This record gives sequence, C-alpha cells and structure tokens, in this order.
Amino acid sequence: QKEVEQNSGPLSVPEGAIASLNCTYSDRVSQSFFWYRQYSGKSPELIMSIYSNGDKEDGRFTAQLNKASQYVSLLIRDSQPSDSATYLCAGANEKLTFGTGTRLTIIP
Amino acid sequence: EAQVTQNPRYLITVTGKKLTVTCSQNMNHEYMSWYRQDPGLGLRQIYYSMNVEVTDKGDVPEGYKVSRKEKRNFPLILESPSPNQTSLYFCASNVAGSTDTQYFGPGTRLTVL
Repeated sequence: QKEVEQNSGPLSVPEGAIASLNCTYSDRVSQSFFWYRQYSGKSPELIMSIYSNGDKEDGRFTAQLNKASQYVSLLIRDSQPSDSATYLCAGANEKLTFGTGTRLTIIP
Repeated sequence: EAQVTQNPRYLITVTGKKLTVTCSQNMNHEYMSWYRQDPGLGLRQIYYSMNVEVTDKGDVPEGYKVSRKEKRNFPLILESPSPNQTSLYFCASNVAGSTDTQYFGPGTRLTVL
C-alpha cells in the first residue's frame, strides 16, 4: 500500500456545489495531515492542516480526519471556478509524504 | 516579503553537464527540502536538511547532492545530469520539520537532453 493515496481524477463539479476530495493513508504517515492546492505550473500552497480526529473548518473549506479508517478528506463548499486546481494530500511522521494529487475542475 | 526563491526557473541542459539549482529563504527556517514532481508520481522528496551542516536523504536521492553551509541557502547539485532527471523541482522550507507547513519556492523546470 502506498503511504498516501488519492484518486487522480479528474473530478468535475458544477459551480456552487460541494467538491469532495478523499485521501487514504498507511500507518507510516499518521501524525498530521495537510491539503495543498496547486495551480498548473505553480507551486503548492497550504489550504488546511489537521492533526486530530474530526472536522476542521476554514471558510469554504472543511478538512475531515478519521484515524480509525485512515482517511482524510477535504470538502469545498460553494465551489468556484477559481477552485479548479490539483489538490495534494500529505501525511507526516518523521517525514512528509505527498499523494499524487486529484485534479479538480469546477464547471461554470 | 517572506519567501523562498529558486534560480534558475527554467533550464535546458545536456547530459553530463554539471548544474546547480539555488534555493534561498528569508524566514530563518531551520528545515529545508528539495522535491521533484513528475506526472503520475506526485511530489517526491530528494533531500532535506534540519539545520546548517545537517542533511539527509529523502525518497529519491540518487544522482543529486546538496549542501547546507548557511541557514538560508540549500543548493541542489546535479553532478552529471541524465534525461531521467528532467522534472519540475521545488525547494521548500519550514520551521519545525515534516509536521509543519511547508513554504514552497516557485519551482525550477529542468530539461536534460
């Protein structure tokens, strides 16, 4: 099993809808988790970090962590065309490991 | 402005010609890393450094060297580049290592012919 796995997509979501991005992880990356957004040709930028079970909300973004099931998700409410990007999930223990990313397209 | 800078941003070179990609951060971060990003493989860590004169291998260190003589600089050296090192490279820094937010540089797109 890869340490951090994501569905590569593409995921298409209508404007205004909720986009749901999912990530599963192995035991080797279980301390803290991050969601990064990467526009084409640009560097990743942090969207959310989550360290404990449950939900964490920041504006239109909600990160969810379920350590028992070993998954972490990112919900984007009221999706906007500017949310179209690749979203990278990352998990950390002694080092940071990234998933391969999910490409999200918001359809106007 | 707090930032991580990389140079050059774009580089086309030939097999075997030594090159250095520079990375500098102005945030006084102790931890710095180099990643490469390839389609379908995501971001993979090449080397990291936890402080001056302290470096360690990441997941894909073969063919690369690094040095950390000053806190702000972390150059990536390709002694004898090969075509399989054609990739998009990112430098990153942060305060507290792997469990802290990474601040990424703008990236260097390298093509080795």
